[in-house]
Amino acid sequence: QKEVEQNSGPLSVPEGAIASLNCTYSDRGSQSFFWYRQYSGKSPELIMSIYSNGDKEDGRFTAQLNKASQYVSLLIRDSQPSDSATYLCAVNADTDKLIFGTGTRLQVFP
Amino acid sequence: EPEVTQTPSHQVTQMGQEVILRCVPISNHLYFYWYRQILGQKVEFLVSFYNNEISEKSEIFDDQFSVERPDGSNFTLKIRSTKLEDSAMYFCATTWDVSQPQHFGDGTRLSIL
Repeated sequence: QKEVEQNSGPLSVPEGAIASLNCTYSDRGSQSFFWYRQYSGKSPELIMSIYSNGDKEDGRFTAQLNKASQYVSLLIRDSQPSDSATYLCAVNADTDKLIFGTGTRLQVFP
Repeated sequence: EPEVTQTPSHQVTQMGQEVILRCVPISNHLYFYWYRQILGQKVEFLVSFYNNEISEKSEIFDDQFSVERPDGSNFTLKIRSTKLEDSAMYFCATTWDVSQPQHFGDGTRLSIL
């Protein structure tokens, strides 16, 4: 059974701090990795995609991938209260279906 | 920005009834998916669809479920005889290439009474 693991949280950070969200996956053959943000009662919204080892930056967001350790992370710099949501890690394993983690709930307090 | 559109936003149905959930993919997207999310649980894959055929389906997608693209624009999920445990949010997702991110619609909240 291919798995994606995330700490469910909540992760509480003060406004302006860096939030660090982590994800591990079980299938070593996974090729594509995604971070989605989900507000309560809403649909997943794509934040970042990453396909190769290293860092990928987009605005306040940085995704990091380490295939050897089967580890993906998302850093959010200058966290804002509007960033408060559940962050879903999703992985394409050997097919194009997405396998999701349970999500990490992030709370940014003023 | 183009969006995946899902209707209805909320469907309330008696157990045993049939429901059809509809999705209009982004216009140049070729790969279509249905996922569901039971309240408080993770998003789960149901089925993938390409070139008018099912590419893959999960264990959840049993004989009560079917998908089709009847008119070249809509992509539908039918549940023939609903059960209480089918209550969930159902998300349609689409992409133009399997290696690219999938874009999700706003979802249909299905409530089975």
